[in-house]
Amino acid sequence: DQQVKQNSPSLSVQEGRISILNCDYTNSMFDYFLWYKKYPAEGPTFLISISSIKDKNEDGRFTVFLNKSAKHLSLHIVPSQPGDSAVYFCAAGGSNDYKLSFGAGTTVTVRA
Amino acid sequence: DAGVIQSPRHEVTEMGQEVTLRCKPISGHDYLFWYRQTMMRGLELLIYFNNNVPIDDSGMPEDRFSAKMPNASFSTLKIQPSEPRDSAVYFCASSLRISNQPQHFGDGTRLSIL
Repeated sequence: DQQVKQNSPSLSVQEGRISILNCDYTNSMFDYFLWYKKYPAEGPTFLISISSIKDKNEDGRFTVFLNKSAKHLSLHIVPSQPGDSAVYFCAAGGSNDYKLSFGAGTTVTVRA
Repeated sequence: DAGVIQSPRHEVTEMGQEVTLRCKPISGHDYLFWYRQTMMRGLELLIYFNNNVPIDDSGMPEDRFSAKMPNASFSTLKIQPSEPRDSAVYFCASSLRISNQPQHFGDGTRLSIL
């Protein structure tokens, strides 16, 4: 069962514009959410996280928004850069459980 | 700081052979996770350890798969006998024993079973 869903398999955006990636989850026990970035032939790299007590977390060009009532989170990248071209995974877990459930990933392509 | 180290990076072997994948977690991390990534199923958790003890192996697909963690700095994932459908990228990750800490991944082992 897919507890974390990324419904957009790909996203193409022009350099300098905003990239918005979306993620939905079904398990109401999830209270910790993460985004990972993955380049080909490398492992996923942690990007940014948010706990359920917050609705926004910002780190440089990356901002994650959490809407608990909708069980939805999003990642905003502003401005998008060519080096941001990668696969982005959304992940979720519970603070009492160290397991993570991952979405299927969204491939972002930043056009020059 | 050294990250999670996996070996080999690539493995090609024939069906029926035993395959052993290796992982060295980040020093000081208490949790170790094994994942498998395929096109069909994405990134799925196979098993994880806390302080070298297996906690949840519900994701291990079959008895052909086994994992061990003999000490805090080493873990193996073994497939015996291997089958073509085991072909995938296998990732190891580790994390601290503090809630809301991210898992840190190795670069994976790309396994091809012919």
